[in-house]
Amino acid sequence: NAGVTQTPKFQVLKTGQSMTLQCAQDMNHEYMSWYRQDPGMGLRLIHYSVGAGITDQGEVPNGYNVSRSTTEDFPLRLLSAAPSQTSVYFCASSSGGSMNTEAFFGQGTRLTVV
Amino acid sequence: GENVEQHPSTLSVQEGDSAVIKCTYSDSASNYFPWYKQELGKGPQLIIDIRSNVGEKKDQRIAVTLNKTAKHFSLHITETQPEDSAVYFCAASIRGKLTFGTGTRLTIIP
Repeated sequence: NAGVTQTPKFQVLKTGQSMTLQCAQDMNHEYMSWYRQDPGMGLRLIHYSVGAGITDQGEVPNGYNVSRSTTEDFPLRLLSAAPSQTSVYFCASSSGGSMNTEAFFGQGTRLTVV
Repeated sequence: GENVEQHPSTLSVQEGDSAVIKCTYSDSASNYFPWYKQELGKGPQLIIDIRSNVGEKKDQRIAVTLNKTAKHFSLHITETQPEDSAVYFCAASIRGKLTFGTGTRLTIIP
């Protein structure tokens, strides 16, 4: 059982570069989301999706784009990386159309922007 | 939006003792309250959850209590073991979106 798979695990970017963080789940979950984790701030919601073709903004969406063309995949795009985007990013999925059931998290992507 | 406060930020207990972590939430419409455990280098993992129509839930050494009137909920771990050392997060769900607390680093002293 793969669950939620995130790639890459580590990434260093230069300011202004763009990149895509990949997230895939094999549990046929409708709901997928992206969080960033910063010291002392818990996990903050960036974007989420309640199903293929449907995405919406979370608490901290600026500087990030998402799309959901399939149920399995939910990539997160950094358009022009900034040092403030240095963080650990987690993708999560849950059954049903919300996070009112158990959420399964990936192992995270540690991103450093220099 | 919803605001979740979590205390304490760090907690050290002797092995075998109990640990309690407390959270408060701001929006009375929140209806689902999960607790996640995060080990070093891993993603958070659900350990227990409670819904707004229940006051208490227990699973072996772990229990969660919910006081809707006061808008707070707590995690209780009894007979702590070294493998309980981790960061614990509370969360509250409103309209299907989770808001997390800032985390508690629990250290079990052998």
